[in-house]
Amino acid sequence: EDQVTQSPEALRLQEGESSSLNCSYTVSGLRGLFWYRQDPGKGPEFLFTLYSAGEEKEKERLKATLTKKESFLHITAPKPEDSATYLCAVQAGGSSNTGKLIFGQGTTLQVKP
Amino acid sequence: GEEVAQTPKHLVRGEGQKAKLYCAPIKGHSYVFWYQQVLKNEFKFLISFQNENVFDETGMPKERFSAKCLPNSPCSLEIQATKLEDSAVYFCASSQGFLNQPQHFGDGTRLSIL
Repeated sequence: EDQVTQSPEALRLQEGESSSLNCSYTVSGLRGLFWYRQDPGKGPEFLFTLYSAGEEKEKERLKATLTKKESFLHITAPKPEDSATYLCAVQAGGSSNTGKLIFGQGTTLQVKP
Repeated sequence: GEEVAQTPKHLVRGEGQKAKLYCAPIKGHSYVFWYQQVLKNEFKFLISFQNENVFDETGMPKERFSAKCLPNSPCSLEIQATKLEDSAVYFCASSQGFLNQPQHFGDGTRLSIL
């Protein structure tokens, strides 16, 4: 069964304290891995897509990497405005090859000034 | 439009009543997806459309739930005879293609069944 697991569930950082969020996945033929940011009361906001192991994407203080089993979202020198829930989702191949996203449980990040 | 627009933001219904949710996808996007977020961060896929055609309905409950995407109208998700367990946030997303393309989400409709 296709599955996505994120860790930790919650993370508290001081402003400027870099860290990484983990997304482990088990899918039948990865078609794409997506990172989203979700603020309270809002829908997920797209951040990155990664397609193959070794791929990396960067945007401001965020950098996403991908291996054959997991993805990391690295946050460098975070600011309070980076506080949000970060969601990882995958698109699987095989019989699930219809584009639906399989989400992890998310990591709620709080950055204190 | 440039954003996925969902209405209403919040819908309150008594148990047994009907609920209807609407979604206007981003202009030019051919695919629409509906997801249900029950507990915090637990997303469940419901159904997807390619234009007005059902593309994947494997996540839709067999009874009470139906959805449509008609030309020149917002897509809709309808729940007949609502139950307490239908209380959730329902998200709509749209994308240009069904694979390898990011899905862009609306801000959801919070459905509260009393």
